Amino acid sequence: GAGVSQSPSNKVTEKGKDVELRCDPISGHTALYWYRQRLGQGLEFLIYFQGNSAPDKSGLPSDRFSAERTGESVSTLTIQRTQQEDSAVYLCASSYNPLPNTGELFFGEGSRLTVL
Amino acid sequence: GESVGLHLPTLSVQEGDNSIINCAYSNSASDYFIWYKQESGKGPQFIIDIRSNMDKRQGQRVTVLLNKTVKHLSLQIAATQPGDSAVYFCAENRAGNMLTFGGGTRLMVKP
Repeated sequence: GAGVSQSPSNKVTEKGKDVELRCDPISGHTALYWYRQRLGQGLEFLIYFQGNSAPDKSGLPSDRFSAERTGESVSTLTIQRTQQEDSAVYLCASSYNPLPNTGELFFGEGSRLTVL
Repeated sequence: GESVGLHLPTLSVQEGDNSIINCAYSNSASDYFIWYKQESGKGPQFIIDIRSNMDKRQGQRVTVLLNKTVKHLSLQIAATQPGDSAVYFCAENRAGNMLTFGGGTRLMVKP
């Protein structure tokens, strides 16, 4: 596709359930990032993948959060035992070159998660 | 500017006027700065970047100014248009893989 694609666009779940969010980066982009954006706030870094290197997980807020990426393609962010404070928009971004070579990250439209 | 929960600082300008959006960054070790624009319901979109060895950089209708002495970044938009209405975020990179985003400023353009 032409841009970063995320699914689902909206997800409503009950507290304690697990959710999976998917990101399809732009073809050829080696770097992939996940960010979280709470309502009316800036973006919080979660995790970064670059090629086949070990991911940078330093932004994951708890061990309920995990992410995988297969090669340079699709990534899945999994949140286990969701809590109400997990409600946010989860944004995925990709770039051809990683930071700090370029800060031009291409973002998807996000997956809005609501935990009831 | 700083954001407080849902109450983003808002800049309201008349169409055709110039806009200046300000950002204070936190870490003197940051050496790369980026401005993003986020329209409602969409992901952020890259506008312009600047590295710490520069004070000013110009793009199409936009200029970014960096003052390292006071750790201040600004985005100037010339001849602001209704399509410029959005939330604007500054972001800093301190080397490595992470961008640290500010809280955002809402720009509203009055026709």
